[in-house]
Amino acid sequence: KAGVTQTPRYLIKTRGQQVTLSCSPISGHRSVSWYQQTPGQGLQFLFEYFSETQRNKGNFPGRFSGRQFSNSRSEMNVSTLELGDSALYLCASSTRGRGQETQYFGPGTRLLVL
Amino acid sequence: GESVGLHLPTLSVQEGDNSIINCAYSNSASDYFIWYKQESGKGPQFIIDIRSNMDKRQGQRVTVLLNKTVKHLSLQIAATQPGDSAVYFCAEVLRGFGNEKLTFGTGTRLTIIP
Repeated sequence: KAGVTQTPRYLIKTRGQQVTLSCSPISGHRSVSWYQQTPGQGLQFLFEYFSETQRNKGNFPGRFSGRQFSNSRSEMNVSTLELGDSALYLCASSTRGRGQETQYFGPGTRLLVL
Repeated sequence: GESVGLHLPTLSVQEGDNSIINCAYSNSASDYFIWYKQESGKGPQFIIDIRSNMDKRQGQRVTVLLNKTVKHLSLQIAATQPGDSAVYFCAEVLRGFGNEKLTFGTGTRLTIIP
């Protein structure tokens, strides 16, 4: 089975721009979660999607949004980028996103905002 | 409030020795805890988890101990190998109404000295 894939792997943007990141979960996984990872804050939960619906949301501003398609692929969008948005964005998939299911992480998209 | 924190940001261990990575948490209502390993350039990889009603759980070369009295979690890695060099995160999972909240610690960098 192929693992979780994320595209692009690296991205450079300037302040004020917007960005869209993509995540393809493991085949058969319907839950996709997004995380932001920075040296100072560690891994922080952004949101989770299941069956095209946002089921869970972290404490991030509305500039951060996401969606999930019928094939479970997910995208996240960050509008009006700020310098502090520079981070590694990780997505993780699991079968149902419930209980002690193992979440499988992708390699991440490293975003640099200049 | 709730938080998950780590006692030490870095840890160096001689190859072949055992290592212990510690984690403190503050939310006594957490349902279970997970340890992840993140190697450079990769996403976090599940290592082992433990339910809140357990004190100890063992895996291959790894043991997780949970002390609910002092809200402390530890990951013991036996007979460390160079491939164990990575950043290790603990995470706590709190189940709410129809959703789960996953909170990560900031991570400990483990370096295995050959």
